[in-house]
Amino acid sequence: EIVMTQSPATLSVSPGERVTLSCRASQSISSDLAWYQQKPGQAPRLLIYGVSTRATGIPASFSASGSETEFTLTISSLQSEDFAVYYCQQYKNWPLTFGGGTKVEIK
Amino acid sequence: EVQLLESGGGFIQSGGSLRLSCAASGFTFSNYAMSWVRQTPGKGLEWVSAISGSNSYTYYADSVKGRFTISRDNSKNTLYLQINSLRAEDTALYYCAKDLRSYGGHAFDIWGQGTMVTVSS
Repeated sequence: EIVMTQSPATLSVSPGERVTLSCRASQSISSDLAWYQQKPGQAPRLLIYGVSTRATGIPASFSASGSETEFTLTISSLQSEDFAVYYCQQYKNWPLTFGGGTKVEIK
Repeated sequence: EVQLLESGGGFIQSGGSLRLSCAASGFTFSNYAMSWVRQTPGKGLEWVSAISGSNSYTYYADSVKGRFTISRDNSKNTLYLQINSLRAEDTALYYCAKDLRSYGGHAFDIWGQGTMVTVSS
């Protein structure tokens, strides 16, 4: 099983700041990585797949990069609606696995 | 509007069985693989099971293999998860999720709102 590790667990950020979240895979997953955003009481929402392709309706303020085992999600200027938990997910191999999440909270 | 609506959750005793359903609308259901993903209250996401669009392939997490069975009825646009031999650790919010591909093993672009399963010992 591919283990996905996200860091940090919690990030305290002020609105308007740039934030970078990290995700590491226990083995190479090429570019088979997705990012999701989840707000309290809501289902996850797909942000990014294929490492850097934004899903439908996702603003350009969200960008992502990486390859093999190291990946990042960047939010260029944090808005109030961006405070949430972010998860990465690999789909290189079965079982599909998620990282433990990074909570982005208001500083 | 593309939508997934889960049902069938509830309170169940350890060792019991339950069948979850997920009604899909707004897209050609048979063209896409579907998965169940669960989330323990206050915790992260765990993929549980997937089924290809054509019903030909199924996949399971080791934690549920032999106890859970995923199926779909493309004529009814409905996904199912039969859960047997329930354990306390199966307590979670169960989401159904639409895969970006027909044969599965990709990202999930549409999620339902989830149905809660609570297992009491």
